[in-house]
Amino acid sequence: AQSVTQLDSQVPVFEEAPVELRCNYSSSVSVYLFWYVQYPNQGLQLLLKYLSGSTLVKGINGFEAEFNKSQTSFHLRKPSVHISDTAEYFCAVSLSGGSYIPTFGRGTSLIVHP
Amino acid sequence: SQTIHQWPATLVQPVGSPLSLECTVEGTSNPNLYWYRQAAGRGLQLLFYSVGIGQISSEVPQNLSASRPQDRQFILSSKKLLLSDSGFYLCAWSKPGPSNQPQHFGDGTRLSIL
Repeated sequence: AQSVTQLDSQVPVFEEAPVELRCNYSSSVSVYLFWYVQYPNQGLQLLLKYLSGSTLVKGINGFEAEFNKSQTSFHLRKPSVHISDTAEYFCAVSLSGGSYIPTFGRGTSLIVHP
Repeated sequence: SQTIHQWPATLVQPVGSPLSLECTVEGTSNPNLYWYRQAAGRGLQLLFYSVGIGQISSEVPQNLSASRPQDRQFILSSKKLLLSDSGFYLCAWSKPGPSNQPQHFGDGTRLSIL
């Protein structure tokens, strides 16, 4: 079975600074990887996904993530954050050829200070 | 385009009362449907999922139940609510088929039990 670890429960950062939210997964087979964002009192929204091909994936709102198979990581990055990026971010993984039900990490709260 | 509707947005119920939360999806056929619960400050807990009408799988034993009376309708119910049922309930759908399909979430229902 797969598992997902989001190493930081909370990441405070100042506006216009770069940010990296870390995600590591555990799986013995190929995986599909997703990042979702959840704004307060809303559902989750897909930010980006890695299915195959280029390991650098670009998503909405200026976010990108890099799939690193050797380190089993899929870290999310943004070069310059805005106050509006304050939200909860979830990493999720599903197995290639496996169950369509993804495993979600526990989430990282990104707090952007002015 | 596909849309997902979830209601009500907020609900305050006394302990021991019944519950019915409804979720409907538009613009797609035969979706996989999911109910999640999100407790304060915690990640997502998968409660139920369904791959077709009348087909419900339960992930966590509890006093909640789910039903899928129509292809794009998913209902979460309880006969008697407990204090521990408080939380943020999210409905989601995904396209049927392989595990590379992302999930699409509704805006959630904030349930408070008094």
